[in-house]
Amino acid sequence: QQQVKQSPQSLIVQKGGISIINCAYENTAFDYFPWYQQFPGKGPALLIAIRPDVSEKKEGRFTISFNKSAKQFSLHIMDSQPGDSATYFCAAKRAYSARQLTFGSGTQLTVLP
Amino acid sequence: EAQVTQNPRYLITVTGKKLTVTCSQNMNHEYMSWYRQDPGLGLRQIYYSMNVEVTDKGDVPEGYKVSRKEKRNFPLILESPSPNQTSLYFCASSLGRATGELFFGEGSRLTVL
Repeated sequence: QQQVKQSPQSLIVQKGGISIINCAYENTAFDYFPWYQQFPGKGPALLIAIRPDVSEKKEGRFTISFNKSAKQFSLHIMDSQPGDSATYFCAAKRAYSARQLTFGSGTQLTVLP
Repeated sequence: EAQVTQNPRYLITVTGKKLTVTCSQNMNHEYMSWYRQDPGLGLRQIYYSMNVEVTDKGDVPEGYKVSRKEKRNFPLILESPSPNQTSLYFCASSLGRATGELFFGEGSRLTVL
């Protein structure tokens, strides 16, 4: 049972374009929604995160949009660069849970030069 | 340099031959966890530990054991590996269970023949 559903599985974008990755969740007990970035041969690393009391968070070219009523959140990468090519995982954390994060299935992003 | 170190990075073994994947962190983190990454399934938690001598099951604990005798180390033990445990394994740590920010090692790719 996948509690965080991520789409698309793969995404190809031209340099300079906008990359959009979407995630949806069912459990209303989630209270923290991070995105992790993973380069080949490396472990995932925290990219950006949001809490449900805000609808948007921006850090440089990366923006999380959060829709609490729809139980959806998305990652937008503006002006996508070849160096952004990586696998992206959305995740969610349950409040008061020791289990930390539940991850989505991942999106492999390729940015063409 | 703050890091999570896993060994071995690559391992090919045969069914039933016990193996241990070591994990060590130098950040004095209380929380440590093991994940496995499989295509289309994202990262799934195997076991986690909130502190020394405190461990608990994650979402996919069958066939694995862990121990936490020291704060910095959290080995993953496969007593009798099977082919369905062929996967990419990640160790992660965080300051505490509430932070939601995990620091990952670089991964251990295990193949069980």
